[in-house]
Amino acid sequence: EADIYQTPRYLVIGTGKKITLECSQTMGHDKMYWYQQDPGMELHLIHYSYGVNSTEKGDLSSESTVSRIRTEHFPLTLESARPSHTSQYLCASSESSRGSYEQYFGPGTRLTVT
Amino acid sequence: RKEVEQDPGPFNVPEGATVAFNCTYSNSASQSFFWYRQDCRKEPKLLMSVYSSGNEDGRFTAQLNRASQYISLLIRDSKLSDSATYLCVVNRGSWGKLQFGAGTQVVVTP
Repeated sequence: EADIYQTPRYLVIGTGKKITLECSQTMGHDKMYWYQQDPGMELHLIHYSYGVNSTEKGDLSSESTVSRIRTEHFPLTLESARPSHTSQYLCASSESSRGSYEQYFGPGTRLTVT
Repeated sequence: RKEVEQDPGPFNVPEGATVAFNCTYSNSASQSFFWYRQDCRKEPKLLMSVYSSGNEDGRFTAQLNRASQYISLLIRDSKLSDSATYLCVVNRGSWGKLQFGAGTQVVVTP
């Protein structure tokens, strides 16, 4: 089992609120990722990080922002939540030194914005 | 055209039967291939990596055909617990990003 954690697991929040979704991993992986997935749909990469102080936007445009101040921590922030942000957010990590690309996922945060 | 294409299914499989399905990928430079399993409303979990020579893990067999750019997964002696969506995953470039297919749903029935 992968040691990657996300909190909260479920969040219902009103429009306009600022939220931060937490993601932590204890495996020492250098790369971390955020995906967005709607029910029955495919995963879309919204942010990724090569390592500390390195972040990039993914394929799907997102109003969220991320930071990577510590290797193990990769929080995602929405400054002003909107109903269109309702989705499942999945965090993942991988280790580049092994030369393979498999990613390990956290349990996800299911966000509902009312 | 999507980078990774899968038949969405569902594949309805009697318990104990064998089911097989493919996915195709468009990037001929891809080097790493995986099958992930995703249960309803859960996170994807790595099922197996796919190697050029093909590989087997218990009841699961994965094959890679680079010439035709497709990957297959075969499940033998299907169990009820095999019911899930199976995601075909291909690396994108050398950085480490992955492209996930939309998934093939498998439903194993008693």
